[in-house]
Amino acid sequence: EILMTQSPATLSVSPGERVTLSCRASQSVSSNVAWYQQKPGQAPRLLIYGASLRASGLPARFSGSESGTEFTLTISSLQSEDFAVYYCQYYNNWPPRVIFGPGTKVDIK
Amino acid sequence: QVQLQESGPGLVKPSATLSLTCTVSGGSMNDYSWTWIRQSAERGLEWLGHVYKSGTTNYNPSVNNRVTMSVEKTRNLFSMRLKSVTVADTAIYYCAREIDRGMYNWFDVWGQGTLVTVSS
Repeated sequence: EILMTQSPATLSVSPGERVTLSCRASQSVSSNVAWYQQKPGQAPRLLIYGASLRASGLPARFSGSESGTEFTLTISSLQSEDFAVYYCQYYNNWPPRVIFGPGTKVDIK
Repeated sequence: QVQLQESGPGLVKPSATLSLTCTVSGGSMNDYSWTWIRQSAERGLEWLGHVYKSGTTNYNPSVNNRVTMSVEKTRNLFSMRLKSVTVADTAIYYCAREIDRGMYNWFDVWGQGTLVTVSS
């Protein structure tokens, strides 16, 4: 069974800082990885799919990348509206299975 | 702009069946798969399953023998039934639209979520 782990669990950041969030798969996986942002009381919001493709309308400060089993979400300059929890998600095409990571909370330093 | 809205009981008794509906507005249901995801503090975000765009259903093994999902395109809605619920099924339940582009799949539209509590 594939597991997705995220680190760190919590990240305290000041506005304007560069943020790098990590998501690691327990075994080799395809690039079928997405990232979501969730704010309190809201549903998750799609940011990235296919490991590095931006969702429609997503600000350019968000980017995704991959290296082996590690997937990274980078926010180049954190804005006040970016404080939230970020989840990675892997989609296994066959048999269809979706695995979410436990999330990284980005809060104000 | 497509919007999704979950509806169903907020409180369900243990051993009963949970029934939820997701109403799709502002767009067609054709060419998409339709998904249920839940979230709890204990289990995080958990994919429950989907009705693939072909009509095939696929379920998470964790609920496979208890869940049934269906789509009614003529009524613009899709539904989930989860039987024999326990307190462990207490969660916020989300419906979501899944886009399948061969190599990649993602959930681009989500409902606001509905809290379901299992309690006697």
